[in-house]
Amino acid sequence: EVQLVESGGGLVQPGRSLKLSCAASGFTFSDYAMAWVRQAPKKGLEWVATIIYDGSSTYYRDSVKGRFTISRDNAKSTLYLQMDSLRSEDTATYYCARYDWEHDYFDYWGQGVMVTVSS
Amino acid sequence: DIMLTQSPATLSVTPGESISLSCRASQSISTNLHWYQQKPNESPRVLIKYASQTISGIPSRFSGSGSGTDFTLNINRVEPEDFSVYYCQQSNSWPRTFGAGTKLELK
Repeated sequence: EVQLVESGGGLVQPGRSLKLSCAASGFTFSDYAMAWVRQAPKKGLEWVATIIYDGSSTYYRDSVKGRFTISRDNAKSTLYLQMDSLRSEDTATYYCARYDWEHDYFDYWGQGVMVTVSS
Repeated sequence: DIMLTQSPATLSVTPGESISLSCRASQSISTNLHWYQQKPNESPRVLIKYASQTISGIPSRFSGSGSGTDFTLNINRVEPEDFSVYYCQQSNSWPRTFGAGTKLELK
């Protein structure tokens, strides 16, 4: 059974940093692209970043480019999102998702972790 | 960026009705369109890939159609567990974008 478990969320002040983790199990992590998708309170889904299976290519939405870094450790089956220079508009639930690169959709999702940026 | 416009924003129905939800893209995206369901306080799950292709484990009452800029998600005879928010998502170009969602609620 595919499992994705996020951790590392919390309350952080504007301008500070936070690092999210996503522990994967139930599949060969190194075979799959992975992604982060977020959802602001009472809002819709917003893609944040994607990393291919070996970490050699990454993709970001413009609003987080230069502030967020997606990375992975295939030996630990873990995905990360380093978030720097956080803004209030980054407040959201962050979902880790497996990305089916061949078919271009998010096929499994974690339960999400809340990040609140506020002073 | 490709914008996806979903309509209606909210649809009120009674169980047993058959419904259609719309997703319109700001430019042609072929069939690079996927549908997700998000139940309250749950993570999204994929329902349909590439506009009309089924996903293993998804009930057959869910179907999709469309290409280019106009897409439809159909639910044949809505069940009580279908009351959720439905999102479309395009994979034609980066950034990947989602529609704002259609909330299916009990009338």
